[in-house]
Amino acid sequence: DQQVKQNSPSLSVQEGRISILNCDYTNSMFDYFLWYKKYPAEGPTFLISISSIKDKNEDGRFTVFLNKSAKHLSLHIVPSQPGDSAVYFCAARRPSRGAQKLVFGQGTRLTINP
Amino acid sequence: DTGVSQDPRHKITKRGQNVTFRCDPISEHNRLYWYRQTLGQGPEFLTYFQNEAQLEKSRLLSDRFSAERPKGSFSTLEIQRTEQGDSAMYLCASSLRTGENEKLFFGSGTQLSVL
Repeated sequence: DQQVKQNSPSLSVQEGRISILNCDYTNSMFDYFLWYKKYPAEGPTFLISISSIKDKNEDGRFTVFLNKSAKHLSLHIVPSQPGDSAVYFCAARRPSRGAQKLVFGQGTRLTINP
Repeated sequence: DTGVSQDPRHKITKRGQNVTFRCDPISEHNRLYWYRQTLGQGPEFLTYFQNEAQLEKSRLLSDRFSAERPKGSFSTLEIQRTEQGDSAMYLCASSLRTGENEKLFFGSGTQLSVL
């Protein structure tokens, strides 16, 4: 029962262009969505988040879009830089006594080519 | 802020042996989480503590798994009678409860290989 899906295992983008990472979910009870970035041999690090009552959140080069009717969210990185090469995880939160009980997607490996 | 520390980074064990992992959270964080990540998958929630109280456990956490957080500081995760299916990356994360914008800070994980 994969409630959060990232259907693209990998993505390759030219430096300076836009990277778009996609994520679909099935559980309408999710109230908060997050993106994490992971480098090899390190734990995931928080990147950006969005509440289910919003449809867009922007932080510098990173923008997350949420389409609740389609149960879809996306992460836009523009312009893409070589340091953005990493595995990106989409995560969703179920309300659970306020805890960050996150459900993660499988991840998308982003490679930025010089 | 020295970050979340996990020890050991790697553990190789034989099937049937017991293993214990340690997590030291960021010092002022009152919440601590354990997640497990297998190859090609995202992290999966195992359990979490608020201070010393273990408030929730996933059904993924069989009877062979036990976690503690004495005095609300560091935490240990023990797996008894390990099985090959236990091979995974075990991630610890901590947070300071601040409402909706609570962020998890993850450690680098302990990679367990059961032979």
